[in-house]
Amino acid sequence: DIQVTQSPSSLSASVGDRVSITCRASQSIGTYLNWYQKKSGKAPKLLIYSASRLQTGVPSRFRGSGSETTFTLTISSLQLEDFATYYCQQTYSLPPLTFGGGTHVEIK
Amino acid sequence: EPQLLESGGDLVQPGGSLRLSCVGSGFTFRDYTMNWVREAPGKGLEWVSSIYAGESSTYYADSVKGRFTVTRDNAGNTVYLHMDSLRAEDMAKYYCVREVRGLSGSWFDPWGQGTVVTVSS
Repeated sequence: DIQVTQSPSSLSASVGDRVSITCRASQSIGTYLNWYQKKSGKAPKLLIYSASRLQTGVPSRFRGSGSETTFTLTISSLQLEDFATYYCQQTYSLPPLTFGGGTHVEIK
Repeated sequence: EPQLLESGGDLVQPGGSLRLSCVGSGFTFRDYTMNWVREAPGKGLEWVSSIYAGESSTYYADSVKGRFTVTRDNAGNTVYLHMDSLRAEDMAKYYCVREVRGLSGSWFDPWGQGTVVTVSS
């Protein structure tokens, strides 16, 4: 099984801050890595697919980078609506299609 | 616009069974792999099961293998998750998700709104 380890598990930041979240895969997965945003009571929302491609309608302050085993989600200037939990996911091989443990982004 | 709508979540006793349904609209349902993902209270996202488009191959997380069965009815644009021998740890909100495949990856979009399964005596 491919494991994905996400860090940090939580972070506190202020509006306007630059925030980065890292996801590491236990083996090379090319660019089969996606990022989702999850708000309480709502369905997850796709932000970034194939490691670096911005989903239609997602603000350009969200940026994905990386390949093989190390990936990063960067929010260039945190906005109030960005406070949520973020998950990475590998779709390189199944089963299972693993999600990272999540990063809870809260207001400082 | 592609949409997914789940139903079937309910309160069930440990050891009981339940069937979840998910109807897709706004896309050619038969062409897509469909997945189930769950979120237990206070926990993260967990992939549960996949059913492929063409040959309808199925895959399961180890935590549900042998107890859950995923099927699809392409004529009715519906995917099902039949859950047997339910345990307390199966209690979660279950999401139906379409898997989109591209040249350099695959991703989950859209997600349904979810249906809640409660396992309790």
